[in-house]
Amino acid sequence: GDSVTQMEGPVTLSEEAFLTINCTYTATGYPSLFWYVQYPGEGLQLLLKATKADDKGSNKGFEATYRKETTSFHLEKGSVQVSDSAVYFCALKGNTGGFKTIFGAGTRLFVKA
Amino acid sequence: KAGVTQTPRYLIKTRGQQVTLSCSPISGHRSVSWYQQTPGQGLQFLFEYFSETQRNKGNFPGRFSGRQFSNSRSEMNVSTLELGDSALYLCASSLGVSAEQSNEQFFGPGTRLTVL
Repeated sequence: GDSVTQMEGPVTLSEEAFLTINCTYTATGYPSLFWYVQYPGEGLQLLLKATKADDKGSNKGFEATYRKETTSFHLEKGSVQVSDSAVYFCALKGNTGGFKTIFGAGTRLFVKA
Repeated sequence: KAGVTQTPRYLIKTRGQQVTLSCSPISGHRSVSWYQQTPGQGLQFLFEYFSETQRNKGNFPGRFSGRQFSNSRSEMNVSTLELGDSALYLCASSLGVSAEQSNEQFFGPGTRLTVL
């Protein structure tokens, strides 16, 4: 079945450092891919999405490119801030498995001032 | 537009009791999904309802059940609570139109359930 694998955390960075959180997926067909973020004490919220190969999703300085050849959707940000400290979830919604969204395990990011 | 609301936000129960959690989706959204989030297991899918019908189900025991009403509001019920049921229960809504798989989910703040 469909699945999502993302790098284990926690990831600890200093402010203004470059961020990469790796995400790879397994799915039949052409799934839509998402990154969600969860700030402390809150539910998840959509950060960005991409619906077809080579699409780049971007929001709040974060970017991710849908790479079908490597089945990846890595999250990047050029300069992180303390306020980016949160848990990041990679997810897919595909053609199989009904209409449910499959989430990765989440990666916790700590950004130090 | 109002977001997804969940009630109650916090709940404390004892083993053996049952609990009902409520979720009101964004207006116009017909799909409601429920997830259990724990530090050890991450985000686990419980079930999804669309137009009052359960469309998907995760791998949880029969003690976990849900339903959706004609106004799309949803409830989930857990009977015979166990200590391991302590978790954050998240509800998410989406348009749920089957042909549009790019529809993202909108999450509520969750209900924190503690079982003593």
